[in-house]
Amino acid sequence: KNQVEQSPQSLIILEGKNCTLQCNYTVSPFSNLRWYKQDTGRGPVSLTIMTFSENTKSNGRYTATLDADTKQSSLHITASQLSDSASYICVVSANTDKLIFGTGTRLQVFP
Amino acid sequence: KAGVTQTPRYLIKTRGQQVTLSCSPISGHRSVSWYQQTPGQGLQFLFEYFSETQRNKGNFPGRFSGRQFSNSRSEMNVSTLELGDSALYLCASSPYNSQLNTEAFFGQGTRLTVV
Repeated sequence: KNQVEQSPQSLIILEGKNCTLQCNYTVSPFSNLRWYKQDTGRGPVSLTIMTFSENTKSNGRYTATLDADTKQSSLHITASQLSDSASYICVVSANTDKLIFGTGTRLQVFP
Repeated sequence: KAGVTQTPRYLIKTRGQQVTLSCSPISGHRSVSWYQQTPGQGLQFLFEYFSETQRNKGNFPGRFSGRQFSNSRSEMNVSTLELGDSALYLCASSPYNSQLNTEAFFGQGTRLTVV
């Protein structure tokens, strides 16, 4: 069964600290993996999209990694800001299926 | 360039009623997908349209339907509303014929509350 699991479910950190969010997937055949940021009450916004051949991609303070062998991805946030408080959703695309969404990690950054 | 526009932003309906939600994609985008988001289930795929044709459909009952017009605008309809249909309904557009391999741009969503 195609599944995407994210951990932790929620995370609280202090402003300025780094954090890493995890995404494990059992999707086959794999096409690409995306990370989205979703602020409360708003639509998701794309952070990165990676294909099978890419193992790291950055977008400002956000860096995503992908290990296609172990079917794991991580999103690292450097020097967190209050505006990073949001839900982060991992999404995997399979060639023969629709987009498969994780349930997200809720990140709260406190001053 | 305007983003994906969804209307209305908020909606309250009673059980048994029907509702129509609207989505205008980014200019030039021809693919539109709809998603339901609830706290317990996360984002779930409803259906995808390209050039007025439904390309993919998720595992939702027939009460959920949609269509796409020649200008790429899309509507989704939910009939005989149930309390469990209360959710944030998101629309996403992309320029190509499938959102599987291209980036999808989401609208702000329509918050539907069924009472």
